[in-house]
Amino acid sequence: QITLKESGPTLVRPTQTLTLTCTLSGFSLTTPGEGVGWFRQPPGKAPEWLALIYWDDDARYSPFLKTRLMVTKDTSKNQVTLTLTNMDPMDAAMYYCAHRLMTTVNAYDYWGQGALVTVAS
Amino acid sequence: QSALTQPPSASGSPGQSVTISCTGSSSDVGGHIYVSWYQQHPGKAPKLIIYEVNKRPSGVPDRFSGSKSGNTASLTVSGLRPEDEADYYCTSNAGSNNVFGTGTKVTVL
Repeated sequence: QITLKESGPTLVRPTQTLTLTCTLSGFSLTTPGEGVGWFRQPPGKAPEWLALIYWDDDARYSPFLKTRLMVTKDTSKNQVTLTLTNMDPMDAAMYYCAHRLMTTVNAYDYWGQGALVTVAS
Repeated sequence: QSALTQPPSASGSPGQSVTISCTGSSSDVGGHIYVSWYQQHPGKAPKLIIYEVNKRPSGVPDRFSGSKSGNTASLTVSGLRPEDEADYYCTSNAGSNNVFGTGTKVTVL
C-alpha cells in the first residue's frame, strides 16, 4: 500500500527558507519510472503544481518558482525534500507530496495528508 | 500563470448527471491527451478520478467519465450520490508546466 506523509514547520518567517520532507512507503524512488510531485493549495483556492522528481534524479520545476525551488531525494531514508527559499506571505498554503502515476504524464494517484504552512513575522 | 477556466458551481439532484467544463488553449488542454481531473472533499487531499482525458484509475466508479473537444475538457458525473458533493479540479500539462483549473463546487441537492 502506497502512502506519503509530509512533515515540516507550520510557521515560517518572511525571507526564510521552507524545508518540507515527504516520507514514502509502499514504493521506492530507486525503481525506474517512479516519481514524486509537490503541490500547494492556498485556503479556498485551486492546487498549484510545484515540482516533480524522478527516480533518476531528473527534476522538473514550475517555471514561476524554479529560481526558488529545489527538490531532492534520499533513497536510503525513502524521503523527498522540498526547499523553497525567500518565503513570502503569498507562499502560505497546504503543501502536498504525491506519487506519480507511472504510465502517464501529470497524474498523481496517491497523496499525502498535507502540511499547512503559515508565513508570518 | 493562466489557469484553466471552470464554472464556479454546478448542482444536481441524486440520480441526475452533472457535467463540468474545463477550458484552456491549444497550448494545454487542446494540445494533447494529458488532462486529469481531481475530486476534493473539504479538509482532504485531492483524489485522482480521471487521467488522459477519459481513463479511470482503479477503484473509481464508472459514474465518472471524461471527454474533450478542442480546447475544452469535460467531466460528467452520472447517477449523482450525496458523496459526490465536493470540489472538482481539472489539470493539464502545458509544456514545462502543469496548470490547474479554477475549480467547480458540485452540490447534490
